[in-house]
Amino acid sequence: ILNVEQSPQSLHVQEGDSTNFTCSFPSSNFYALHWYRWETAKSPEALFVMTLNGDEKKKGRISATLNTKEGYSYLYIKGSQPEDSATYLCASTLTNRDDKIIFGKGTRLHILP
Amino acid sequence: DAGVIQSPRHEVTEMGQEVTLRCKPISGHDYLFWYRQTMMRGLELLIYFNNNVPIDDSGMPEDRFSAKMPNASFSTLKIQPSEPRDSAVYFCASSLGQGVLFADTQYFGPGTRLTVL
Repeated sequence: ILNVEQSPQSLHVQEGDSTNFTCSFPSSNFYALHWYRWETAKSPEALFVMTLNGDEKKKGRISATLNTKEGYSYLYIKGSQPEDSATYLCASTLTNRDDKIIFGKGTRLHILP
Repeated sequence: DAGVIQSPRHEVTEMGQEVTLRCKPISGHDYLFWYRQTMMRGLELLIYFNNNVPIDDSGMPEDRFSAKMPNASFSTLKIQPSEPRDSAVYFCASSLGQGVLFADTQYFGPGTRLTVL
């Protein structure tokens, strides 16, 4: 069974502070890892897609790393701003399964003014 | 581009009624996905289409659920008869399909919040 786990479930961070959270996934037969940003009352918005071990992606103050050998990805936010408040979802797929994408339950980030 | 369009945005119905959710993918996208989001299970893939053909419906929870894609610009997800446990937010997403499936970015619609009383 493919399980994608995210931690922590919820996080409160002071404005201006940097933060990070984790996505864990089965490392066998890894295919792709996605990060999405999901604001309340909106739809999930793609941040990054990563496929290679050691991949690092960056978009403004947000960056992500990928370790496919040990099965984890980190998402970093530098200098948190109120607009960063959202749920961050990761999703993974494997190569030897019927094509599926499995989402974690997300990390809900609250930025405190 | 208007993005992925879903309708209705909210649906409240009574148990036993038929519910039809609609989706218009981004023009030119070859893949269309239907997801369900609940507090308990998070975001689950129900079914996806490639060039209007259903490829994998193994995520559809029961026979009460069905999905169609009669053309490249329209898809429906139908629940008949609906039950209270079907209450959830249903998302439609589409992707170009230029890269490898599920390594492509998916673009999500705004979702339909379904409440079955």
